[in-house]
Amino acid sequence: QSALTQPRSVSGSPGQSVTISCTGTSSDVGGYNYVSWYQHHPGKAPKLMIYDVSERPSGVPDRFSGSKSGNTASLTISGLQAEDEADYYCCSYAGSDTYVFGTGTKVTVL
Amino acid sequence: EVQLVESGGGLVQPGGSLRLSCAASGFTVSTIYMTWVRQAPGKGLEWVSVIHNDGSTYYADSVKGRFTISRDISKNTLYLQMNSLRGEDTAVYYCAREYYWKLDHWGQGTLVTVSS
Repeated sequence: QSALTQPRSVSGSPGQSVTISCTGTSSDVGGYNYVSWYQHHPGKAPKLMIYDVSERPSGVPDRFSGSKSGNTASLTISGLQAEDEADYYCCSYAGSDTYVFGTGTKVTVL
Repeated sequence: EVQLVESGGGLVQPGGSLRLSCAASGFTVSTIYMTWVRQAPGKGLEWVSVIHNDGSTYYADSVKGRFTISRDISKNTLYLQMNSLRGEDTAVYYCAREYYWKLDHWGQGTLVTVSS
């Protein structure tokens, strides 16, 4: 299983919006609506931000939203805040009870 | 409150073995899917293995035949037995609870270093 492709980094000023793409294949992202996104501050436990492509767990601000088109999923952070600075990973079900993560994107708040 | 606490990491020589533990509280490990995910230094997250509530197990190709996931219901603990360890297995290992295709709770991780 090859890792899903994410941009290495994205950045934005406070209040702006940033979008992170996550590109896979028809065997993972394109084949299932089981894409999730995780926020990871170094040294801490990863945190679930989006599941089932666009669903938000309780407690996650509505500034975070997800979508999917074909083999590419996206995470958008609107109204960027300083505490959003972290690494973000997408993850997709890949069939046969396995999963594949993305390469990870570092979000920098300027 | 759901809590996951990993332990058992450390320094091991190539070819050696190590067993990681993940103590769970706030839920019962036998009633849900439990997963191991790792992050090598400077790299991204990598899915490693899952054990289903029916006991069936699945592995990433990179660890198949070398790692074994299991659980102890009496201790409410998840394990990862790692054999024939290689340098590329060096990573922080996280356990996570899988609930309907999402990893909704994670532990803080335990570091495994494979080096001579």
